[in-house]
Amino acid sequence: EADIYQTPRYLVIGTGKKITLECSQTMGHDKMYWYQQDPGMELHLIHYSYGVNSTEKGDLSSESTVSRIRTEHFPLTLESARPSHTSQYLCASSDRGQFLTSTDTQYFGPGTRLTVL
Amino acid sequence: RKEVEQDPGPFNVPEGATVAFNCTYSNSASQSFFWYRQDCRKEPKLLMSVYSSGNEDGRFTAQLNRASQYISLLIRDSKLSDSATYLCVVTLNGGKLIFGQGTELSVKP
Repeated sequence: EADIYQTPRYLVIGTGKKITLECSQTMGHDKMYWYQQDPGMELHLIHYSYGVNSTEKGDLSSESTVSRIRTEHFPLTLESARPSHTSQYLCASSDRGQFLTSTDTQYFGPGTRLTVL
Repeated sequence: RKEVEQDPGPFNVPEGATVAFNCTYSNSASQSFFWYRQDCRKEPKLLMSVYSSGNEDGRFTAQLNRASQYISLLIRDSKLSDSATYLCVVTLNGGKLIFGQGTELSVKP
């Protein structure tokens, strides 16, 4: 079982509020990711990090920002939440396996279900 | 065109049935291939990696055809607990995962 945690699990908030979704992992993984998933739809990568002080935008444009000050922590922030931000946000982490032929297995947190009214 | 495309679901099958999911990917530089399982309102979890030689894990068999850019997952003797959405996942150089839209499976008694 992977040790990756997200808080809060559920958040209902009004338009214009600033929110931070927390993600922490205790596996020492260098790589961390944020995905956005609407109900019944595919996951879209919105941010990723290859290590401390490294952040990159993903394939889906997002108004959120991320930071990676510590290996274990990868918070996502929305400065001004809007109803269009309503979605599920999934955090993941990965670490290359011990063999050269191994590939990155991503372990997912339980997700934060965000509703912006 | 989506980078990873899967059979549109849902698949509704009786217990004990054999079911096959198909997936195609568009980027010939794709490096690694996986099947993930996602239960309703839960996070995705790795089901199995997919190797060119094909691989089996109990009732689950995965196949990869690099020439055709095609991946498959076969589930034999399906159980009620197999009901979930199955995600075809491809990685590009650097480890970025590209997810298919998923195929929903519902196994009925």
